[in-house]
This record gives sequence, structure tokens and C-alpha cells, in this order.
Amino acid sequence: GAGVSQSPRYKVAKRGQDVALRCDPISGHVSLFWYQQALGQGPEFLTYFQNEAQLDKSGLPSDRFFAERPEGSVSTLKIQRTQQEDSAVYLCASSLAGGGLGETQYFGPGTRLLVL
Amino acid sequence: QQQVKQSPQSLIVQKGGISIINCAYENTAFDYFPWYQQFPGKGPALLIAIRPDVSEKKEGRFTISFNKSAKQFSLHIMDSQPGDSATYFCAASTPAAGNKLTFGGGTRVLVKP
Repeated sequence: GAGVSQSPRYKVAKRGQDVALRCDPISGHVSLFWYQQALGQGPEFLTYFQNEAQLDKSGLPSDRFFAERPEGSVSTLKIQRTQQEDSAVYLCASSLAGGGLGETQYFGPGTRLLVL
Repeated sequence: QQQVKQSPQSLIVQKGGISIINCAYENTAFDYFPWYQQFPGKGPALLIAIRPDVSEKKEGRFTISFNKSAKQFSLHIMDSQPGDSATYFCAASTPAAGNKLTFGGGTRVLVKP
């Protein structure tokens, strides 16, 4: 079966450009998470959706970062006025349900963003 | 504040040897502790997970040992194979925080043939 997919896989942006990163979760998965992974580091939580509701956005580093999941399936992470420190791999993960005891989160391959 | 500390940052083991990775956590609300394996250019993939009501869990060559009082847990990879060469991340979560994962810094494992 299809796993979590992300697009584009690689994105090069000039400083100040806006970018949009897409995540297609596993079909039927209620929960969707975004993480940021800097080079050589562990992933860090950005934001969490349960269906279309954004329940936690405490990890978003600034108001330049915005995420949405309008129909409870596909999600988009948007970064406005990109800065060099935004360069990282952006990972999307989905899990079947929401709110229960620890569930497996299935990760996509990530989008590698390089801001020049 | 790093809530999950992982060590070592890297290790080299001979084929057939045992790889041991350790993690320590601070938040006593954590109640789910997965380990993820990540290959270059890929997303993390769940390897094995444990809850604090058990002290050990084994799946094939992979074993998690859990010490609740010490707030520590570890991954043991028995009979390490070259295909195990990857970066391993411990993580922790709690439903109180929406099950978002807090990851350790990662351990790069190299298994020499």
C-alpha cells in the first residue's frame, strides 16, 4: 500500500522567497504531524493536525511558518520570506487515530529545503 | 531544553557484534518510547517501541530495555549486520501532548563487515 508521500523532494529557494511543501498522508489516517530535521540532528516537532483541526502549533519557529489541512487529508506547510536558517529536511508523519496511547507514526521521505 | 538525551553520537561495531544505544528522558509524563531507524535520504521508520509497564521488549535481533526509576531506556542490536548501518533515534511521547514525538539527537551506527 502507499505510504506517506511528500513533494517536492528537493527545493532550492532564494532568501526571501515563499515556499509550499505538500504532504499526502496514508489514506484514512486521522493524525498528521510536521517535523523539522536539521542536518545531523533529530527531528523536531512543528505542528499537529487531527483531521482538519490544527491542535498544536507550538513548534512553529516563527509566524513565517503556516500549515493547513483544509479537508482533513493533504496538508501543506508554507514558509514565507525564507531565511537561511530555514534550510532543513521537513518531515511529515501520519498515524491512524488521534488522542490515544502512543501510536505508530509513519514518516514520509521528507522535503529537503535549501535556502541560498 | 532537550528532553530526551541520546548517546553515543556514533559507534562502530564489527559484524556479529552488539550495538548498544542509550537514552535518558526528563518528562515523567512520557509513556510511549519508540526507536526509529533512518537511512540517508529516507524518513525515519519505526523499529520497535515500549511502554513503561514492561522492562524489556524483544523483536528479532532488537531489544529495548527500560528502567522507569532511572528514566532511561536503551536499544540493543544483537548480531549486528552491515545492513543495520543507519542512524537510530530514540523518542518519547505522551497523549497529554497529542502524541507528538520528542526525539533524541541520534546515533550513527556503522557495522563493519
